[in-house]
Amino acid sequence: ETGVTQTPRHLVMGMTNKKSLKCEQHLGHNAMYWYKQSAKKPLELMFVYNFKEQTENNSVPSRFSPECPNSSHLFLHLHTLQPEDSALYLCASSQDPSGRLLSYEQYFGPGTRLTVT
Amino acid sequence: KNEVEQSPQNLTAQEGEFITINCSYSVGISALHWLQQHPGGGIVSLFMLSSGKKKHGRLIATINIQEKHSSLHITASHPRDSAVYICAVRSGGGADGLTFGKGTHLIIQP
Repeated sequence: ETGVTQTPRHLVMGMTNKKSLKCEQHLGHNAMYWYKQSAKKPLELMFVYNFKEQTENNSVPSRFSPECPNSSHLFLHLHTLQPEDSALYLCASSQDPSGRLLSYEQYFGPGTRLTVT
Repeated sequence: KNEVEQSPQNLTAQEGEFITINCSYSVGISALHWLQQHPGGGIVSLFMLSSGKKKHGRLIATINIQEKHSSLHITASHPRDSAVYICAVRSGGGADGLTFGKGTHLIIQP
């Protein structure tokens, strides 16, 4: 399997649930990213990991908790979400030795469509 | 924080037409990306530019650093080009230096 994969593709959860989104990249990249895309809004960068180290947290609420166990896998743990957190969550990766965001081409996964009820 | 404006927001054209999508930004940048997002959400990176012009197939991207403006052109447009085209710029270090436009929704009718 090649490219960037994300699971699940669709997720419906209640506000008291705990769930996790998974991203896996098969490109040998060292940087991975979580983005949020809400309806009618631009993409928002949430987290950046470079060589498994979190380098950026763009003022994301603590109910979103990222985890990067190795350079190929990235998780986004979700708990006590709000309805306004309903969005498309996109994972991306890049080969980015300098850690300079968007200085290198990014490869995106298909996204997880999250609905919080 | 950089302000990124894309125009038009929506564009409907006939198959074969030459398409231009514009992106303007307010602060000097080190890199600009054009992304394509198809219905269903998948995003593909089309171009990364820091100066000049790039061409890939029927797609051409140009950037004018002095005027803080970039254009994405599609020649001989086809219905499969229908998608949202997003401009993204990097204007500084860190997550705050990363700004995305709201996108241009393009529909090519047969």
